Amino acid sequence: KAGVTQTPRYLIKTRGQQVTLSCSPISGHRSVSWYQQTPGQGLQFLFEYFSETQRNKGNFPGRFSGRQFSNSRSEMNVSTLELGDSALYLCASSLLGSNYEQYFGPGTRLTVT
Amino acid sequence: QKEVEQNSGPLSVPEGAIASLNCTYSDRGSQSFFWYRQYSGKSPELIMSIYSNGDKEDGRFTAQLNKASQYVSLLIRDSQPSDSATYLCAVKGTDKLIFGTGTRLQVFP
Repeated sequence: KAGVTQTPRYLIKTRGQQVTLSCSPISGHRSVSWYQQTPGQGLQFLFEYFSETQRNKGNFPGRFSGRQFSNSRSEMNVSTLELGDSALYLCASSLLGSNYEQYFGPGTRLTVT
Repeated sequence: QKEVEQNSGPLSVPEGAIASLNCTYSDRGSQSFFWYRQYSGKSPELIMSIYSNGDKEDGRFTAQLNKASQYVSLLIRDSQPSDSATYLCAVKGTDKLIFGTGTRLQVFP
């Protein structure tokens, strides 16, 4: 079974721009969660989607948004990028939701200049 | 108080020894607990999940959970240099999975 895939793997953007990241979960998994990882803050939860509905949201500003499609693929969007948004963005998929095992993709490394 | 606490390390153990990694959490209602391994420059990899008090063994790994003490640990038997990585403890709270900052493990030959 193929694992979680994320595209693109690397991105360089300028402050003020917006960016869209994509995540394809493991086949059959209906839950996708997004995380931001930085050296200072560690892994921080952004949001979780299950069957196209946002289940939970972390403590991030409204510039961070996401959605999930009927095939369980998910996208995350960050508008008006700030330097502090530079991070590794990880998505994780789960069969039944984040109460259960989650499997991470390789991540998208975003650099904001 | 942090929601999930881990000693950042590094924890240095000789090859063949038992490595003991510890994690405490603050939400008494937590029901799901996970250990992830993360190599430098890579994404986290799930090692173990544990949901009830006691021990759960999988190969060289044993997860231990004590909900009364709000404590979860991971034991790695017969540690190998390839086990050198950062180990992340994750606890499912009411609405989200909360990660500790990780313990860096170094296994030396």
